[in-house]
Amino acid sequence: DVKVTQSSRYLVKRTGEKVFLECVQDMDHENMFWYRQDPGLGLRLIYFSYDVKMKEKGDIPEGYSVSREKKERFSLILESASTNQTSMYLCASSNGGAQLLPEAFFGQGTRLTVV
Amino acid sequence: KQEVTQIPAALSVPEGENLVLNCSFTDSAIYNLQWFRQDPGKGLTSLLLIQSSQREQTSGRLNASLDKSSGRSTLYIAASQPGDSATYLCAVRGRNSGGSNYKLTFGKGTLLTVNP
Repeated sequence: DVKVTQSSRYLVKRTGEKVFLECVQDMDHENMFWYRQDPGLGLRLIYFSYDVKMKEKGDIPEGYSVSREKKERFSLILESASTNQTSMYLCASSNGGAQLLPEAFFGQGTRLTVV
Repeated sequence: KQEVTQIPAALSVPEGENLVLNCSFTDSAIYNLQWFRQDPGKGLTSLLLIQSSQREQTSGRLNASLDKSSGRSTLYIAASQPGDSATYLCAVRGRNSGGSNYKLTFGKGTLLTVNP
C-alpha cells in the first residue's frame, strides 16, 4: 500500500516562528503536493513538485515556501507564521508522466495552530 | 479556471438507504476524477478513480459514474451504514498550464450522516 506520512498530527506555534511541515512517501512518486483545508473554502493547493528540486506555485503560495531535496520528501515552510495560517495541512503524492493518469494518495494531515 | 461543485453540502439518511452524491465541474477537459472520503480531523482516503475514457467504476457498495461531456459525476452508495458517515470529496485532474504536471481541483465536499 502507498503510504504518505506527515511528521506531525498536531502543531502549535507562535506568531513569527519559522515552521517546517514534513511529508514522506514510500512509493517513488514523482509528484507531491501541499494543500490546506479550511471550513467553507475546501482544499486549496499551496505548492506542488513534479521532480526533485522542482516546484510550482499552486493557488495560494503567499507566505509559504517548499523544499524537495529528495524524491521521497516534500517540506512546506512557513517563513514567519501568522494566525491566518492556522489550518489543516494535507500532503499528497501521485505517480507522474504525461501518459499516466495518476491516482493521488494523501497523508493523515497536520492540524497547525498559530497563536 | 476549473471549478468543482458538490451538491448537497450535507445529507442525512437512515441506515439502509441507497443514496447519490453529486459532483459537477466546469471544464470538461479532464484526465480523471477521483472520489475521496474524509473522516473528521483526518486525511483523505481514495475511494474510486475514474479515467476520462471510462463511464463508471465500482468498489463494493460504491459506484461512481462520469459524464465528461456534461461535466458531471455521481457517487452511488448502496445500503448505507452508520460507518459510511464522513465527508465525501470529489476532485478532478486537469492539465496544469505549465506543462505535464497534474493538478487536482477539489469540491467542498458533502457531509454524509447515516443514522442507525
